[in-house]
Amino acid sequence: GAVVSQHPSWVICKSGTSVKIECRSLDFQATTMFWYRQFPKQSLMLMATSNEGSKATYEQGVEKDKFLINHASLTLSTLTVTSAHPEDSSFYICSARDSRAQYFGPGTRLTVT
Amino acid sequence: SQQGEEDPQALSIQEGENATMNCSYKTSINNLQWYRQNSGRGLVHLILIRSNEREKHSGRLRVTLDTSKKSSSLLITASRAADTASYFCATDASNSGYALNFGKGTSLLVTP
Repeated sequence: GAVVSQHPSWVICKSGTSVKIECRSLDFQATTMFWYRQFPKQSLMLMATSNEGSKATYEQGVEKDKFLINHASLTLSTLTVTSAHPEDSSFYICSARDSRAQYFGPGTRLTVT
Repeated sequence: SQQGEEDPQALSIQEGENATMNCSYKTSINNLQWYRQNSGRGLVHLILIRSNEREKHSGRLRVTLDTSKKSSSLLITASRAADTASYFCATDASNSGYALNFGKGTSLLVTP
């Protein structure tokens, strides 16, 4: 079946630093990738939609200059959290879509100290 | 924007009992999906029901969809302790570009 990986699985960083999270579709080409964020004991909230070779579309309230998304190929999208703050600590989940369905990655837990 | 709302928020039952979770949504959808998430882990896709379907079964899972009421229910029969998890409904709206809108989730605890 279709597999989506994320790297790293978890990361701890200091406030003010930047963190890059990778999302890869391992055995299929993803026309679209999505980034979601999940705070503890809450649901997933869509952050942005990215299509290969074009700029990401961000949801209202999500700062595009803070959460940089690059979708350079049909199998890789990256989310960079710039100048991270403790309130950015969250579980970040990507998903990748082919022509039939959407597949979720295992998530990346970010803790900003 | 988040449109799915589940109830109850939390549910505690004993093994062998049935668990029913409900989900309501606001806009027209292409399909509705249910996911499961163990604490701190990723999502596991359970079942998808299309907007033209009314009921679907998969093992111990039964999902219903009422588009006139914009609601869905997930029934887990003969629950097991291993079913303990959070359950989310997610809708694929007609105009969402395939992005999923997740409900707030139901936290299910099944005690032995």
